[in-house]
Amino acid sequence: QSALTQPASMSGSPGQSITISCTGTSSDVGSYNLVSWYQQHPGKAPRLLIYEANSRPSGVSNRFSGSRSGNTASLTISGLQAEDEADYYCCSYAGVSTPVVFGGGTKLTVL
Amino acid sequence: EVQLVESGGGLVQPGRSLRLSCAASGFTFNDNAMHWVRQAPGKGLEWVSGISWNSGIKAYADSVKGRFTISRDNAKNSLYLQMNSLRGEDTALYYCAREISPVLWATMDVWGHGTTVTVSS
Repeated sequence: QSALTQPASMSGSPGQSITISCTGTSSDVGSYNLVSWYQQHPGKAPRLLIYEANSRPSGVSNRFSGSRSGNTASLTISGLQAEDEADYYCCSYAGVSTPVVFGGGTKLTVL
Repeated sequence: EVQLVESGGGLVQPGRSLRLSCAASGFTFNDNAMHWVRQAPGKGLEWVSGISWNSGIKAYADSVKGRFTISRDNAKNSLYLQMNSLRGEDTALYYCAREISPVLWATMDVWGHGTTVTVSS
């Protein structure tokens, strides 16, 4: 099972919106709505931001939103803030044999 | 407070074994599947293994299949990872993570702080 494809890095200015893509295949993202997104600050554990492609857990800012179309999922962060500078990972269900696949991660810099 | 605390990491020689543990508290442990996820130094997240609520389903990444064994003891609210035939590429911070569902849906809503495994001679 290959990792999902994410851009290695992205940047944006405070107040802007950015969208991180996550490209998989018809065996994972394309077949299941079980796509999740995680935020990880340096030295910290990952934190769940989005599940089931577009749902937000309680406590997560509504500045974070997710979507999925075909083999690609996306995470949009609106109104960028300095605290959003972190690594972001997508994750998808990929079937019974190897159920979990992560993306390679995107390092977001807030300029 | 919902909490996962990993332990058992350390420095181990290539080819040797190590057993990781994860103690869960603050929730009904047998309501959820569980995962092990690792992160090599400076690298991204890599899923290692997952187990359903009743141990009926166990799954492994190809990179560890046949060497690692996941298990859980619901009576002790604990998750384990037995790691055999360790290699240098197994060096990583190992996270224990709670699945939101009783089965493996690839959605982890609670994470521990991790335990470090270093494989080196």
